[in-house]
Amino acid sequence: KAGVTQTPRYLIKTRGQQVTLSCSPISGHRSVSWYQQTPGQGLQFLFEYFSETQRNKGNFPGRFSGRQFSNSRSEMNVSTLELGDSALYLCASSFTTSGYTDTQYFGPGTRLTVL
Amino acid sequence: AQTVTQSQPEMSVQEAETVTLSCTYDTSENNYYLFWYKQPPSRQMILVIRQEAYKQQNATENRFSVNFQKAAKSFSLKISDSQLGDTAMYFCAFEGMRTSGSRLTFGEGTQLTVNP
Repeated sequence: KAGVTQTPRYLIKTRGQQVTLSCSPISGHRSVSWYQQTPGQGLQFLFEYFSETQRNKGNFPGRFSGRQFSNSRSEMNVSTLELGDSALYLCASSFTTSGYTDTQYFGPGTRLTVL
Repeated sequence: AQTVTQSQPEMSVQEAETVTLSCTYDTSENNYYLFWYKQPPSRQMILVIRQEAYKQQNATENRFSVNFQKAAKSFSLKISDSQLGDTAMYFCAFEGMRTSGSRLTFGEGTQLTVNP
């Protein structure tokens, strides 16, 4: 079974631009979570989507948004990029459903650099 | 809110020896999961081991085992017969079961280096 895939793997943007990252979960997984990893803040939870609905949200500004499609693929968008948004963005999928929590499996990440 | 603390930023061990990484956490929940993930230089986050809080038996996966002390809120990882490929950043993570859905809280990480 194929793992979690993320595209693109690397991205360079300039301040003020917006960016969209994509994540395809493991087949059969309906929950997709996003995390931001930076040297200063470590790994922080952004949000989780399940059945096309945002179910959990971390403490990030509204510039960070996401969505999930009917095939469980997810995208996250960051608008008006700031230098501090430079990070590794990790996507994870799980078999978690309503009332049942399962292990999250991670993709290889998208390295975003904001200049 | 839950917190996870890894007090050892860096550790090193000789190949074939045993090493233990420490993790403590704080939560008011009674049912939860604890995980150890490793992140090698490739940055791919890989699941090492998982422990359910309601299970008293410590989880084991080949050379990896945990010492789960629920009352002390401690969750350490023991790596036996260390191999060069174990060199990675290791993250301890918590996930509550009371909150619907997935939401991992990570520790700061421990950089483990296995020396030949």
